[in-house]
Amino acid sequence: DGGITQSPKYLFRKEGQNVTLSCEQNLNHDAMYWYRQDPGQGLRLIYYSQIVNDFQKGDIAEGYSVSREKKESFPLTVTSAQKNPTAFYLCASSIGLYPGYTFGSGTRLTVV
Amino acid sequence: AQTVTQSQPEMSVQEAETVTLSCTYDTSENNYYLFWYKQPPSRQMILVIRQEAYKQQNATENRFSVNFQKAAKSFSLKISDSQLGDTAMYFCAFILLETSGSRLTFGEGTQLTVNP
Repeated sequence: DGGITQSPKYLFRKEGQNVTLSCEQNLNHDAMYWYRQDPGQGLRLIYYSQIVNDFQKGDIAEGYSVSREKKESFPLTVTSAQKNPTAFYLCASSIGLYPGYTFGSGTRLTVV
Repeated sequence: AQTVTQSQPEMSVQEAETVTLSCTYDTSENNYYLFWYKQPPSRQMILVIRQEAYKQQNATENRFSVNFQKAAKSFSLKISDSQLGDTAMYFCAFILLETSGSRLTFGEGTQLTVNP
């Protein structure tokens, strides 16, 4: 079955470390997105990519980096510059202009 | 920039009753879609219903229906015959169709609890 796979489901990071969250899709979708979810807030867009080797900053990109070397993969790196990284992270994909998103099951990141 | 506002952080309803969740949005564009997503405790995002802005008819999906008031920029979700499995966080979302791609903007969410 086609879908989006996010790994790991839970991730713990020590302060000052960079960590990378994985997002892989086999839906042949062109566009991929990373959202952050905090308690009491909706999902906020971190980065998005419409095509391979191209990506744009979302509303809260500071302290994060991404790459899009393959159509299927859109990893998110949470850098040490991100002051409050503890959150739930959701990856999504869509077919270009078609407004239907498919979401992954998320990664819960905790700073210890 | 587009914004989406959900003014009800929490709501509760008795099983089998009807509940309405509110959502307002702000945009100066005409070509857009509106969505309601459900996020149960598993945290998986599930699409509940979708409305195209150019359609005047309100969308319905079984027990779920919307009241789309384009001039008022209002997009409420009505859940009829509420079931225990409807307990979840509900997000209203907006997407503007642009030639450069689409970005989904979410409201803050409404936590709905269905009581037995």
